[in-house]
Amino acid sequence: GAVVSQHPSWVICKSGTSVKIECRSLDFQATTMFWYRQFPKQSLMLMATSNEGSKATYEQGVEKDKFLINHASLTLSTLTVTSAHPEDSSFYICSAKPGLAYNEQFFGPGTRLTVL
Amino acid sequence: AQTVTQSQPEMSVQEAETVTLSCTYDTSESDYYLFWYKQPPSRQMILVIRQEAYKQQNATENRFSVNFQKAAKSFSLKISDSQLGDAAMYFCAYRSAIEGGADGLTFGKGTHLIIQP
Repeated sequence: GAVVSQHPSWVICKSGTSVKIECRSLDFQATTMFWYRQFPKQSLMLMATSNEGSKATYEQGVEKDKFLINHASLTLSTLTVTSAHPEDSSFYICSAKPGLAYNEQFFGPGTRLTVL
Repeated sequence: AQTVTQSQPEMSVQEAETVTLSCTYDTSESDYYLFWYKQPPSRQMILVIRQEAYKQQNATENRFSVNFQKAAKSFSLKISDSQLGDAAMYFCAYRSAIEGGADGLTFGKGTHLIIQP
């Protein structure tokens, strides 16, 4: 149990276009989902926290207008990178938490974004 | 803000030997959780072990155990009987347990563990 999927697993896009990444909890309802960014050979950095039905909370330094997060249902959160540029190229990982009292987050397999 | 420091960018150990990965953290909070995650080449994050700060007893999961020193803010991971499948990046992570506190994880920079056959 506790499986989280991401789609797509790999995407290449042209500079200036927008890309949407989906994160789904397959066998549980996720009240909270998180989006992390990981540069090559570096650590994961929390970008934002989203709770179902409410606006996402972004970490300091993360551009809200560039990284649009929507958590419209208890099983789906989306991250849209708007007007992507080469510096947005990275590995994006989502995680999901079943409930407020739950200690563990379950991670998706990640999405590699390459912006040309 | 909380910080997590892993001072060993890379560690190498012989198969079947024991290795300890270091992690220190800084926080002003009294209640929190600490985690060790494994990230193999597939990039899938795998939870290795979890420690609640209010528990004095060190967590253990089969070959994996931690040495949690709350006063020193230290949380090291010991891997016994190292296996080839243990080769991966290992990340130490912190999460607040304060009601209303931040729910996301703060990660250290990671330690690349190499297992020598």
